[in-house]
Amino acid sequence: DAKTTQPNSMESNEEEPVHLPCNHSTISGTDYIHWYRQLPSQGPEYVIHGLTSNVNNRMASLAIAEDRKSSTLILHRATLRDAAVYYCILRDMNNAGNMLTFGGGTRLMVKP
Amino acid sequence: NAGVTQTPKFQVLKTGQSMTLQCAQDMNHEYMSWYRQDPGMGLRLIHYSVGAGITDQGEVPNGYNVSRSTTEDFPLRLLSAAPSQTSVYFCASGTVFYGYTFGSGTRLTVV
Repeated sequence: DAKTTQPNSMESNEEEPVHLPCNHSTISGTDYIHWYRQLPSQGPEYVIHGLTSNVNNRMASLAIAEDRKSSTLILHRATLRDAAVYYCILRDMNNAGNMLTFGGGTRLMVKP
Repeated sequence: NAGVTQTPKFQVLKTGQSMTLQCAQDMNHEYMSWYRQDPGMGLRLIHYSVGAGITDQGEVPNGYNVSRSTTEDFPLRLLSAAPSQTSVYFCASGTVFYGYTFGSGTRLTVV
């Protein structure tokens, strides 16, 4: 399975934008890029996913590099509630099992 | 819409006891899976199912059994609990192209 690399931790100030990077240099053509986050003492929560084009939803934006070897999750205005571990995961649509493989993620700390 | 429901939320077992962690979803999702998360660690896949009657092993299947007789339910059985199985267990359901929904977890302690 293709792997992802994320920084262990990042800090942000409240109400400022946050850019969370993810490298996936061995991504294959059928891998979708998924982002999940896990708030303290909760289960993971789906954030966003994409294949080639940039994606927006009510929670965040996903910017995907043209060569697809990296992506960035963008939180437009961080709040204290966004403090969580963010996981960047590749999901192979050709794999019948198609399950999520979690790495270490990025722990985002938001300062008031 | 309840989403993914896990029961119980907390459980303490003695070494050697068996138990079943329940997971139910009401979204008609074809895919379901079980993960464990040890303190300070990421999630690891135990078993998964791509539809009723179909299950397969994940990364850490030893000591656990699963079955999928209906689309809605995917129970996880601990055969003979060991202290190394102390963990938080998450069930998830999803479809081929969209995101997974996770339950709130079962916190299991084996003494």
